[in-house]
Amino acid sequence: AQTVTQSQPEMSVQEAETVTLSCTYDTSENNYYLFWYKQPPSRQMILVIRQEAYKQQNATENRFSVNFQKAAKSFSLKISDSQLGDTAMYFCAFMKHRSGNQFYFGTGTSLTVIP
Amino acid sequence: AAGVIQSPRHLIKEKRETATLKCYPIPRHDTVYWYQQGPGQDPQFLISFYEKMQSDKGSIPDRFSAQQFSDYHSELNMSSLELGDSALYFCASSWTSFGEQYFGPGTRLTVT
Repeated sequence: AQTVTQSQPEMSVQEAETVTLSCTYDTSENNYYLFWYKQPPSRQMILVIRQEAYKQQNATENRFSVNFQKAAKSFSLKISDSQLGDTAMYFCAFMKHRSGNQFYFGTGTSLTVIP
Repeated sequence: AAGVIQSPRHLIKEKRETATLKCYPIPRHDTVYWYQQGPGQDPQFLISFYEKMQSDKGSIPDRFSAQQFSDYHSELNMSSLELGDSALYFCASSWTSFGEQYFGPGTRLTVT
């Protein structure tokens, strides 16, 4: 079974600063995907960034980047130049590389950006 | 760009009633997933369909059933509703080659 752990239930960051959200996972799979989703107060689930396990290069999307350490089974999200709109619940998710496969979500980290 | 459509957005039912939730995936997406998110919890996977066949099954109660139709839309049927079924139900779709799932806005089900 796959497990995803987010050890930081709540975090806060000053506007324009940088924050890192941690995520670890446990799997025996060699090929898989990892994702970060954002869930603002509207409850909409919004894809932030994805990483394929076979790629060594860390994914980057504008102010969002990941630090993917496959051997350590770690997948942290770095948010640079934090904005008020980044305030949300952030979920780390794991998916095996197989069609129709489910996501395994972590328990989430609630991020608050302080003006 | 078209997104995942879910209907209804809000639904209020009484205990022991039946509810049907509908999901319309992004065009050309062949896979549909259903998740249940209770208050303050992470989404829990219920069931998924790939090319109209059930592909994966999670913690879906026996009182629930789902299917994917020929036009790729999916319906989640929930019978003998219980108070604990009150939750936000997400549908997500994907095109298998790309992996990421695109979520709909959710259906908020309240059982009274």
